Amino acid sequence: GESVGLHLPTLSVQEGDNSIINCAYSNSASDYFIWYKQESGKGPQFIIDIRSNMDKRQGQRVTVLLNKTVKHLSLQIAATQPGDSAVYFCAEKITGGGNKLTFGTGTQLKVEL
Amino acid sequence: GAGVSQSPRYKVAKRGQDVALRCDPISGHVSLFWYQQALGQGPEFLTYFQNEAQLDKSGLPSDRFFAERPEGSVSTLKIQRTQQEDSAVYLCASSSQGEAPGYTFGSGTRLTVV
Repeated sequence: GESVGLHLPTLSVQEGDNSIINCAYSNSASDYFIWYKQESGKGPQFIIDIRSNMDKRQGQRVTVLLNKTVKHLSLQIAATQPGDSAVYFCAEKITGGGNKLTFGTGTQLKVEL
Repeated sequence: GAGVSQSPRYKVAKRGQDVALRCDPISGHVSLFWYQQALGQGPEFLTYFQNEAQLDKSGLPSDRFFAERPEGSVSTLKIQRTQQEDSAVYLCASSSQGEAPGYTFGSGTRLTVV
């Protein structure tokens, strides 16, 4: 079936560099997307969201970009810090699919000192 | 409480045993969700409640899985006759509104079936 997936399973960056985590989705009926951060032993933590009528949204040190033409979503983290080390998931909500989210498999971000 | 509370944090069950996992949502949150997360995978939707009504149970993998929320607050996910493939982290999330934006996840219950 249709699903959300990620290009890179592991991403290593130097502290202070910018990180970009990518996500491909296949369901054109998705109207809402969320990025979550999950640390070991914890539940997913909301980072930032974007609706399908937007191309870009910025938060504190994070930016989400949505390219509906190629069904691509990215999360940019500025000045990556050791505390950013975690697994990052993108998730989508499908129009008419109720309130459930479909998650990708995740990208492990490792921040090197 | 300040967040979504799940208990127990860890559960080891022998194959064939029944288990019950508890979720205490954030006070006042009307929406409650259960997800299953296998090792190295993203969470997968199991079921959704709005108050005491179970509006979507399309993700429950078999009739061995049952969820309830009788008073519209605490929820219990029950798994009967556990099997090894049930081993996973079970996550509960709650929301103050029907839409996804308000999702707050608990830390989950790690179930290991031996």
